[in-house]
Amino acid sequence: GAVVSQHPSWVICKSGTSVKIECRSLDFQATTMFWYRQFPKQSLMLMATSNEGSKATYEQGVEKDKFLINHASLTLSTLTVTSAHPEDSSFYICSARDFVGTGGRETQYFGPGTRLLVL
Amino acid sequence: SQQGEEDPQALSIQEGENATMNCSYKTSINNLQWYRQNSGRGLVHLILIRSNEREKHSGRLRVTLDTSKKSSSLLITASRAADTASYFCATARIETGANNLFFGTGTRLTVIP
Repeated sequence: GAVVSQHPSWVICKSGTSVKIECRSLDFQATTMFWYRQFPKQSLMLMATSNEGSKATYEQGVEKDKFLINHASLTLSTLTVTSAHPEDSSFYICSARDFVGTGGRETQYFGPGTRLLVL
Repeated sequence: SQQGEEDPQALSIQEGENATMNCSYKTSINNLQWYRQNSGRGLVHLILIRSNEREKHSGRLRVTLDTSKKSSSLLITASRAADTASYFCATARIETGANNLFFGTGTRLTVIP
C-alpha cells in the first residue's frame, strides 16, 4: 500500500521556538494532504487541508499564523508550529490522498505521527 | 463539532470472543471508514463503506452502515491479543467536497490473552 512518512518522529523544544514537521508520500503523488492533531486518549482533530501549489484551508479555530502549512510539491507538505508553547504539545499526524492508486480518491494514507513536547 | 460518537469508549474481552464497536454521526456522508491506531502510532486504514452500501466484510472484520440512523458498527470476530488498539470511525462528508475526514471519539479495545 501507499506509504506516508513523517519527520521527525519526536521533537522536544523550548517555549518560543518554531518547529517544522515534514510529511512525505513515498511512492505516490499526493495532490492533497491533511494535518491532524491528537491529544492523549482523544480523537484526531482535522487542522487543515493542504493542496499542492495553493494556500491551505484551515478548520475553524485553528490559527493560520500559528500553524504554517506549505505544500510545495506533490510529495511533500510541511507544518511549522511557530513560537511554540506548552499547550501546543500534542501528537501531529498527516495524511495524504492518493488519486491514482487502487485506493482512489476516497482513501487517505496516514503518517506515523510526530510527537511534539514544548517545555 | 468534528467528532462523531463511538461506543463503548473502552472494551475489554477475552481472546477468541467477538468485539463490536458502534459509531454514530450527524451529517450526510459520502462514505464511512474505520481506522485502527496502536498506542502512540499512526492510523491504519481498515475498511471503507460507501453511503449506498449496507454491509461489508474484510477478513475477520464486518462493517454495517445504517444511513437512516446515521450509525455504523464494526465487528471483529475471533479476536486476538494483537487486535488490542484504538478503533476510530471517520466520515467523509458530502458538503466538504474535498472528502475531509472527521473522526469519532474512538473505542479502546483490549483483548486479553
